[in-house]
Amino acid sequence: EVQLVESGGGLVQPGRSLRLSCTASGFTFGDYAMSWVRQAPGKGLEWVGFIRSKAYGGTTDYAASVRGRFSISRDDSKSIAHLQMNSLKTADTAVYFCTRRRWEIIRGYYYYYMDVWGTGTTVTVSS
Amino acid sequence: DIQMTQSPSSLSASVGDRVIITCRASQSINSYLNWYQQKPGKAPKLLIYAASSLQSGVPSRFSGSGSGTDFSLTISSLQPDDFATYYCQQSYNIGTFGQGTKVEI
Repeated sequence: EVQLVESGGGLVQPGRSLRLSCTASGFTFGDYAMSWVRQAPGKGLEWVGFIRSKAYGGTTDYAASVRGRFSISRDDSKSIAHLQMNSLKTADTAVYFCTRRRWEIIRGYYYYYMDVWGTGTTVTVSS
Repeated sequence: DIQMTQSPSSLSASVGDRVIITCRASQSINSYLNWYQQKPGKAPKLLIYAASSLQSGVPSRFSGSGSGTDFSLTISSLQPDDFATYYCQQSYNIGTFGQGTKVEI
């Protein structure tokens, strides 16, 4: 069964750091890009960032709201992706979802979508 | 940044109704548009990708259309399991979501 399980959430004070983990199973982790999406309490979904597979350089992209504070890494040998969150703000309080980012070629163009989601881990930033 | 605007923000419908949700991008995104369904306390679920491709396992009553800046998600005959919040997401440049449309009884 294809599965993603997030861990590492919790209560943290503003300005501190936290590292989330996403453990994958049921598929060849190294073949896929991985993304993080968050959802503040009672709010909509916000794309946070993603990391490409090593075949595409393992490079990263981030939303403007977290760029410079958050970083994503991956350990393909352990099928784990990490979200390192530094200088946390109360606005970062949310459920954080890990997702598998997949692509498909349709009529000669690459289309990207998130087809597998974890159940999420809750991060609360508060003093 | 590309902004995504959904309408309506919420709607009330009955089982068997035809429901249409629209999504507009602030610039052309060709067909780089995905739709997700989310139920309370659960992770989102992919319904449609590339504007009109149905994800495997998703019922055929769901369909997507559009290109450029204007898109729609149609539920041809609303079922009890379809009451949820629906989000569009552009994949043209990074991955902005719309604000969501809540479908209520």
